[in-house]
Amino acid sequence: QKEVEQNSGPLSVPEGAIASLNCTYSDRGSQSFFWYRQYSGKSPELIMFIYSNGDKEDGRFTAQLNKASQYVSLLIRDSQPSDSATYLCAVKMNSGGSNYKLTFGKGTLLTVNP
Amino acid sequence: GAGVSQSPSNKVTEKGKDVELRCDPISGHTALYWYRQSLGQGLEFLIYFQGNSAPDKSGLPSDRFSAERTGGSVSTLTIQRTQQEDSAVYLCASSLVVDSPLHFGNGTRLTVT
Repeated sequence: QKEVEQNSGPLSVPEGAIASLNCTYSDRGSQSFFWYRQYSGKSPELIMFIYSNGDKEDGRFTAQLNKASQYVSLLIRDSQPSDSATYLCAVKMNSGGSNYKLTFGKGTLLTVNP
Repeated sequence: GAGVSQSPSNKVTEKGKDVELRCDPISGHTALYWYRQSLGQGLEFLIYFQGNSAPDKSGLPSDRFSAERTGGSVSTLTIQRTQQEDSAVYLCASSLVVDSPLHFGNGTRLTVT
């Protein structure tokens, strides 16, 4: 069973702090990694994607990938109450020719307290 | 259009009825996906289209579910003889090519009474 695991939370941080969201995946052959934000009652919204080991920064967001450890994370700097949402980690697993299928974790609920 | 469009946004139907859900992907996107999200659950993959072909239908929960895509664009997900466990939000997504990020529509919330 190829899986993507996330801590369901809730993760609660004060406004202005760094929020750290973590994700592990089971398929070592995975090549593409995505973070989506989902507000309650809304559809998932792409925040970032990363393909190579290391860090990728976009504004207040940094995605970190470690393929050897099968671990991907999302850091949110200067967290704002508007960042409060469920964050979904998603992985494209290439094993068995299924390089098109995006497998999602169940998400981590983040609450940023004013 | 600017984004993925799904219709209807909400659908309430009686158990045993058939329903059709529609998805208009972003213009030019070759790949199209259907996912399902039940209350408090993660996103469940249903089916993937590349052009008009569906190489992977393995996520469809039963033979009551079917989907098609025409003209490399619009897709329809059909659920026959709906059951209460079919109640969920059905999300459509498209991507430019298979390796590109997925962009989701606003979903269709299906309630089977």
